[in-house]
This record gives sequence, structure tokens and C-alpha cells, in this order.
Amino acid sequence: SAVISQKPSRDICQRGTSLTIQCQVDSQVTMMFWYRQQPGQSLTLIATANQGSEATYESGFVIDKFPISRPNLTFSTLTVSNMSPEDSSIYLCSVDPTGESYTFGSGTRLTVV
Amino acid sequence: QKEVEQNSGPLSVPEGAIASLNCTYSDRGSQSFFWYRQYSGKSPELIMSIYSNGDKEDGRFTAQLNKASQYVSLLIRDSQPSDSATYLCAVKPEGNNRLAFGKGNQVVVIP
Repeated sequence: SAVISQKPSRDICQRGTSLTIQCQVDSQVTMMFWYRQQPGQSLTLIATANQGSEATYESGFVIDKFPISRPNLTFSTLTVSNMSPEDSSIYLCSVDPTGESYTFGSGTRLTVV
Repeated sequence: QKEVEQNSGPLSVPEGAIASLNCTYSDRGSQSFFWYRQYSGKSPELIMSIYSNGDKEDGRFTAQLNKASQYVSLLIRDSQPSDSATYLCAVKPEGNNRLAFGKGNQVVVIP
């Protein structure tokens, strides 16, 4: 299965600022998925990122708040913009190189103060 | 109706016993089903996938799928303290490449 390097692993940020999270995959993948896991909750998909095209956002998530870049087939970034305490969550990237084996990065634990 | 539902509360089982977890899903066209284990503070780890009706066994884990009832379950035999974690049911809806997750069930194995 693919190996994903995600960073930072955690951060504490001031409200109103932005944080960019990076995911690097050890193989080329068509799609990368960005999830949010709020405290005590399950995973919610934020968006799907395809190389060379705009990311597709799920209901309730917008590009201005969560801009995504996908410059090549092994790398993607998610930015959490103009943060508020409600953005405090774990953010996870995921890939599925085989079509049936979704792997997750180690996650970014974000605290907004 | 939620895409994936896991309604049971925390499950406490004695060491060596069988832990049974259940999951229902709403999209009748779904074809791929997964169980993930998530330790506290860690990311989800895939432990089982199942695509056909019936049982699939992998070591101490057995996944069961009933598409007619839109029901997936996971059995953990000979439960060990290291099995204490949250177990997430995930379904790949028809025509989708993403996964929809249930809220998870916490399992606590008591030595």
C-alpha cells in the first residue's frame, strides 16, 4: 500500500491566520482525498483533489476556506484559511492507488486559539 | 438518513471474548466496504475489506456482508487488549471514489 508523509503533525495557531498542510505520497496517484475529523467524531470528506484540475468540494466546504493545490501526482496541500476555534480538528489526507485500499496520512492535529 | 450508521455505544469485552460490531448503509448500489481501526491520536488503519455477500476471514477478524439487508459487521475473536480502539465502518457509494464513514464504535478489551 502507499505510504503518505503528512506534515505538520500538529500545530497551534492564532485565530485569523492560515495553515498549510502537506501530503507527499511515495507513488503516483490520481486522486487525493482530504478529510476532517472533529473531536470525538468520524471522518468527513472535505474535498477530492485531482492533478491538473480544480478540487471537488463536498457540501459545506468551500474553496475560499480550504484551498487545495495538486501540482503533481504525488503531492497535495490543503490550506485552512482565516481560522477560528471551530476549525480545531484533525486533518487527514488519503489516497487509493489500487482502487480498493485507502491509506491515510498520519494526520495534522490543529488547535486554533 | 445517514450514509453509514454505527449506532452501538462503547463496547467492553473481556480478554479472549468475541467483539461484534455492526454497521448499516443507505446506498443500495454500494459495492465496497471497509473496516478501519483507529487508535487514540492516530490515523485510521485498514484492517478488512469486503465486496461480496458472506464472510471474509483474516486472522482473528471476520467481516460479514449482507447486501440485501445493507448490513456489514466485524467480529474480533480472542480479543486482546491491543484491540482496544475505535472501529470505523466505511462504504464506497456507487459511482463514487470517496469513502463515507460511520461515526465509529469504541472497543475496550478488559484484561
